[in-house]
Amino acid sequence: GQSLEQPSEVTAVEGAIVQINCTYQTSGFYGLSWYQQHDGGAPTFLSYNGLDGLEETGRFSSFLSRSDSYGYLLLQELQMKDSASYFCAVRVSGSARQLTFGSGTQLTVLP
Amino acid sequence: DAGVTQSPTHLIKTRGQQVTLRCSPKSGHDTVSWYQQALGQGPQFIFQYYEEEERQRGNFPDRFSGHQFPNYSSELNVNALLLGDSALYLCASSRTGTDKRIQYFGPGTRLLVL
Repeated sequence: GQSLEQPSEVTAVEGAIVQINCTYQTSGFYGLSWYQQHDGGAPTFLSYNGLDGLEETGRFSSFLSRSDSYGYLLLQELQMKDSASYFCAVRVSGSARQLTFGSGTQLTVLP
Repeated sequence: DAGVTQSPTHLIKTRGQQVTLRCSPKSGHDTVSWYQQALGQGPQFIFQYYEEEERQRGNFPDRFSGHQFPNYSSELNVNALLLGDSALYLCASSRTGTDKRIQYFGPGTRLLVL
């Protein structure tokens, strides 16, 4: 099976930078995804890493180290609207469209 | 371009009853996955449908069943409801042969079992 660990809560102020870590244990690892979910809303795709290194998409970046079974999501220039839950999710080979999610990190952005 | 839609938005049932949830995938998508999200937890994979067949299944009992129609829409059925089935049920769609990185989620159906 698969397991993922991420912090349950993170708090930061507007304009700051925050990093949300994710460690995983899985066989047949294929890639690590990040999703954002506002209260009562649908999870929306943020970023994906299939290979080691950094992926940048605007204010959001994601990093993966396959050898360490570790990844993180970096959010820069935080805005109030970034307050949400953030989930890391793994894809495994043979089940490319099945995601296994972590328990999520609740990010609170303070003014 | 309509995204993933789900109905109903909210539902209240009692233990032992049966429920059917519905999902219409994003336009052009042919694969539908269902997830259960308990309060404060991440979504858990229930199963996935493609070409009207269940292709993959997560660790859920047979009380959970589904169906996909020729127009790619899908239903999730849950029999003999338990209190623990109370959750947000999410549908996600994607298109075979395209970017497998991204799943598009609907807003979910919030089910309360009393």
